[in-house]
Amino acid sequence: EAGVAQSPRYKIIEKRQSVAFWCNPISGHATLYWYQQILGQGPKLLIQFQNNGVVDDSQLPKDRFSAERLKGVDSTLKIQPAKLEDSAVYLCASSFVTREEKLFFGSGTQLSVL
Amino acid sequence: AQRVTQPEKLLSVFKGAPVELKCNYSYSGSPELFWYVQYSRQRLQLLLRHISRESIKGFTADLNKGETSFHLKKPFAQEEDSAMYYCALTPGAGSYQLTFGKGTKLSVIP
Repeated sequence: EAGVAQSPRYKIIEKRQSVAFWCNPISGHATLYWYQQILGQGPKLLIQFQNNGVVDDSQLPKDRFSAERLKGVDSTLKIQPAKLEDSAVYLCASSFVTREEKLFFGSGTQLSVL
Repeated sequence: AQRVTQPEKLLSVFKGAPVELKCNYSYSGSPELFWYVQYSRQRLQLLLRHISRESIKGFTADLNKGETSFHLKKPFAQEEDSAMYYCALTPGAGSYQLTFGKGTKLSVIP
């Protein structure tokens, strides 16, 4: 089966600029997650969607981060304006509704903020 | 707050030697525990989960609620086991809101 697709693969921006990441989950997966992985750390959950609704965004820095999944399929994560500490790999993951099904991760977008 | 601790950043073992990757957690309820693995240039993927009680690629992990541990073990390490290993937990609800440890890099020396 096709995996979780993410783009771009790499992005380099200067601080205070804006950036957006795109994720296309596996077909039929209702649940979508965005994780942030800073170098040397494990992934940290930012936001969970169920179809096009937000289930949990308690760890999303809402002053600069936003995410949407308008049609319940693709999702975008935006940072505006970016800070140096936002340098990380941004991972998208998807699964069916129930946790009995596996979670699949994308390859991630590596963001460098200079 | 929930927390996952992996005390070793790097673990080096010789091929054929036993492997144990340590994982301790703190959570007040009954979490579900996972081990994820990331091989070089590959995506993060599930290795095993405690509710499955299965052995994957020769690895096993037993949940010890008394010691709040979920150590990953393999009796004989292989070179292809070299990878980054992450322990993670999720609350006993129906989602993958995972809390990850910082990871342990396993290096198997030929």
